[in-house]
Amino acid sequence: NAGVTQTPKFRVLKTGQSMTLLCAQDMNHEYMYWYRQDPGMGLRLIHYSVGEGTTAKGEVPDGYNVSRLKKQNFLLGLESAAPSQTSVYFCASSPGSLSLTTDTQYFGPGTRLTVL
Amino acid sequence: KNEVEQSPQNLTAQEGEFITINCSYSVGISALHWLQQHPGGGIVSLFMLSSGKKKHGRLIATINIQGKHSSLHITASHPRDSAVYICAVSRGGSQGNLIFGKGTKLSVKP
Repeated sequence: NAGVTQTPKFRVLKTGQSMTLLCAQDMNHEYMYWYRQDPGMGLRLIHYSVGEGTTAKGEVPDGYNVSRLKKQNFLLGLESAAPSQTSVYFCASSPGSLSLTTDTQYFGPGTRLTVL
Repeated sequence: KNEVEQSPQNLTAQEGEFITINCSYSVGISALHWLQQHPGGGIVSLFMLSSGKKKHGRLIATINIQGKHSSLHITASHPRDSAVYICAVSRGGSQGNLIFGKGTKLSVKP
């Protein structure tokens, strides 16, 4: 099993360009998440999904869109990239809600995005 | 004020030392998570606990629900333990998202 994979690993964009980050998991998990990690700050939730066809906003959703057309994939889109979106993006998945004490979260390797 | 606070922010230890990282939180939670972020950036979940204590190898995690505090201990520390240790809490409900602390950067010198 590959676990959680992310594509691409690195990307440089110019302001105003668009791109899509792909997250894939092969563990049949219901829940998937997109986070961003910035220096001096904890991981912050951008969007999440509690199942195929569903998405919900997290703490910092502005400037991002997501889609979960297939259970195994969770896409994060930047329609018009801004320098403030320079960050490391992590995808994660979990079998169910993390409020359940039996579930843990599995992370992808991260995508380092620079917006010039 | 952050809902999840960790201390210290940075910690340097000599190989073999006993290490303690602390986490305090200000919200009601259903579970607390400890994660490790390797120097290369990968993040792995170490523990999830809602009461008492858990042990895995040289790592021990404890939680005091009433005091809203958790500790992560590393016994007989080793340079390979050098990483950022992150505390996160999950609140009840179906949302399933975590609130993260800023992390504690640990460096263990040989």
